[in-house]
Amino acid sequence: ELKVEQNPLFLSMQEGKNYTIYCNYSTTSDRLYWYRQDPGKSLESLFVLLSNGAVKQEGRLMASLDTKARLSTLHITAAVHDLSATYFCADFGSYGKLTFGQGTILTVHP
Amino acid sequence: DAMVIQNPRYQVTQFGKPVTLSCSQTLNHNVMYWYQQKSSQAPKLLFHYYDKDFNNEADTPDNFQSRRPNTSFCFLDIRSPGLGDAAMYLCATSRDHGSSWNEQFFGPGTRLTVL
Repeated sequence: ELKVEQNPLFLSMQEGKNYTIYCNYSTTSDRLYWYRQDPGKSLESLFVLLSNGAVKQEGRLMASLDTKARLSTLHITAAVHDLSATYFCADFGSYGKLTFGQGTILTVHP
Repeated sequence: DAMVIQNPRYQVTQFGKPVTLSCSQTLNHNVMYWYQQKSSQAPKLLFHYYDKDFNNEADTPDNFQSRRPNTSFCFLDIRSPGLGDAAMYLCATSRDHGSSWNEQFFGPGTRLTVL
């Protein structure tokens, strides 16, 4: 059974601090996706990681993929309130099936 | 702009009354997906179409059906909605699913309420 596990599930951060969300997956996939979801909204694609060692950065967010460890990380630098949302990682399986992690609810407060 | 459109954005139905949700795309993608997302949970794939080829997930209830009359449109039919079917329904598309062209693009979702 495909499993994708995120850690932590709840993250309360102060503005200006750094933190990392971890995503462990059980397949031998070399593709991993990160999505952001605001309350009541749909999923917004953040990063598509297509190979071992891939690193992508957008603003205060940086994602990386280690396929040997079956681990992806989403690093938040100098958090701001606008980053408050739920973040999902998703593993790409066969026939385009995405298996999502449980989601990490991030709250950034002053 | 090329996009994925879902209608309606909010749907209220009565217990047992059939309902249809609509998804259209201007991306000309081959693959269309339907996900169910219940409150505070991750999206769960119900089924997908690769062109006209329908692929049902093993644990998708028979109560859920889908139609894809052409490349642009895909419908989700819930034959007899129960209270447990209240959720956000997300449509997504991808150009393909067996290659690097498999990034999925999500529509805005339809929030279904069952009374």
